[in-house]
Amino acid sequence: AQSVTQPDIHITVSEGASLELRCNYSYGATPYLFWYVQSPGQGLQLLLKYFSGDTLVQGIKGFEAEFKRSQSSFNLRKPSVHWSDAAEYFCAVGASNAGKSTFGDGTTLTVKP
Amino acid sequence: GAGVSQTPSNKVTEKGKYVELRCDPISGHTALYWYRQSLGQGPEFLIYFQGTGAADDSGLPNDRFFAVRPEGSVSTLKIQRTERGDSAVYLCASSLRGTGDGYTFGSGTRLTVV
Repeated sequence: AQSVTQPDIHITVSEGASLELRCNYSYGATPYLFWYVQSPGQGLQLLLKYFSGDTLVQGIKGFEAEFKRSQSSFNLRKPSVHWSDAAEYFCAVGASNAGKSTFGDGTTLTVKP
Repeated sequence: GAGVSQTPSNKVTEKGKYVELRCDPISGHTALYWYRQSLGQGPEFLIYFQGTGAADDSGLPNDRFFAVRPEGSVSTLKIQRTERGDSAVYLCASSLRGTGDGYTFGSGTRLTVV
């Protein structure tokens, strides 16, 4: 069975600082990996996804994530955080295109002015 | 429509009552998913449709929960004999073909059982 761990419940960064949100997954083969963002009062929005190819994937809003098979990780990064990035971020893993995604419990990002 | 639409956005019901939650996916999306999200947690899988059929209903917590998608488009999640523990935000998502395409989520239905 697939599972996801997001070790950080809450992260605070200053505006303009860099950001890294951690995600560790458990799955035997190469998984589908995703990051979603949930802003207050809004639905979850897909930031980026990975299945194969280049292990560094670019997403929307200036985010990127790197797949590291040896560490079973798929960490999300952004070089310079904006106040509008304050939200909850969810990592998700899928075993196959014909199955479901399993979500982590999320990391809440606070951005200090 | 342009996005995934869920109605109602809020539902308050009394314990023991029956409720229906509706999801209208993006036109042409064959895959549809229902999740449930409690405060401080990530979305928890309930059921997944590919076309009209339920491809995976392993996340439904018990037989009080049932979902249909009769024409391969709109889906309804039905909860019988609601309990206070059913209170949560129920999320619907659709995908063009499946998980690999990523999901487009609706804004959710907040269900409160009093």
